[in-house]
Amino acid sequence: SAVISQKPSRDICQRGTSLTIQCQVDSQVTMMFWYRQQPGQSLTLIATANQGSEATYESGFVIDKFPISRPNLTFSTLTVSNMSPEDSSIYLCSVEGGREDTQYFGPGTRLTVL
Amino acid sequence: AQSVTQLDSQVPVFEEAPVELRCNYSSSVSVYLFWYVQYPNQGLQLLLKYLSGSTLVESINGFEAEFNKSQTSFHLRKPSVHISDTAEYFCAVSGAGGAQKLVFGQGTRLTINP
Repeated sequence: SAVISQKPSRDICQRGTSLTIQCQVDSQVTMMFWYRQQPGQSLTLIATANQGSEATYESGFVIDKFPISRPNLTFSTLTVSNMSPEDSSIYLCSVEGGREDTQYFGPGTRLTVL
Repeated sequence: AQSVTQLDSQVPVFEEAPVELRCNYSSSVSVYLFWYVQYPNQGLQLLLKYLSGSTLVESINGFEAEFNKSQTSFHLRKPSVHISDTAEYFCAVSGAGGAQKLVFGQGTRLTINP
C-alpha cells in the first residue's frame, strides 16, 4: 500500500475565501481520487484525477468550485473555492496504484467554514 | 451504477461478544467489495476486500466477510470484539477491473461496551 499525506490536516476558514488541499504519495500512482465526507455522513466522490489530463467530476460537483491539479504522478491538489458553511467537511484523497485494484486513503483535511 | 446499503447505522455490543455488520449492494456488473474502518478522528483504513477467488476474506485483526453473490451481500463479522474495535465501518463497492470509483454505504458505528 502507498503512504499518503495531506496538508493541511485541518483549517478554519472564512466564508468567501478559498483553500487548497495538497495530497502527496510516496510512490507513483496512475489514479488519484478526491472525496468529501460531510459531518456524520459517508464519503462521496468529487472527482478523479489522472496525470496529464483534466479531472473528471461527479454529478453535483463542478470545476469552478473544486478545481484540481495533477502535475505529476505523486501529487495532486484540490481547491475549495468561494467557501460557504455548507463546504465544512473532511476532504480525503485516495490513490490506486500498481495491480492491487484497491484504493488507499490519506488522513483527510478537516475543513470548517465560518 | 452501483449502490450500497448498510442496514444498521449503529451497533452497540458488549466486549468479547460476536458482531455482524450488514452490507448489501446493487450492481448490474461484476463488482469488487471492500470494508474500510475509520477510528475516531482518523482517516479511512482498508480492513479487507473481495476481488476474486475465495468468497471468505479475512483481516489481520480477526474480522471476516463473506461475498454472497446470490444475496448480493458482504456482511462483516467478528467472533469476539474488543474495546479497540470501536469505530465507524464503511462498506464500499466498485465495478470489477480497477481504476473505478468507490461507492460507499452510509456507515455503521460500532460501539463496544465494557
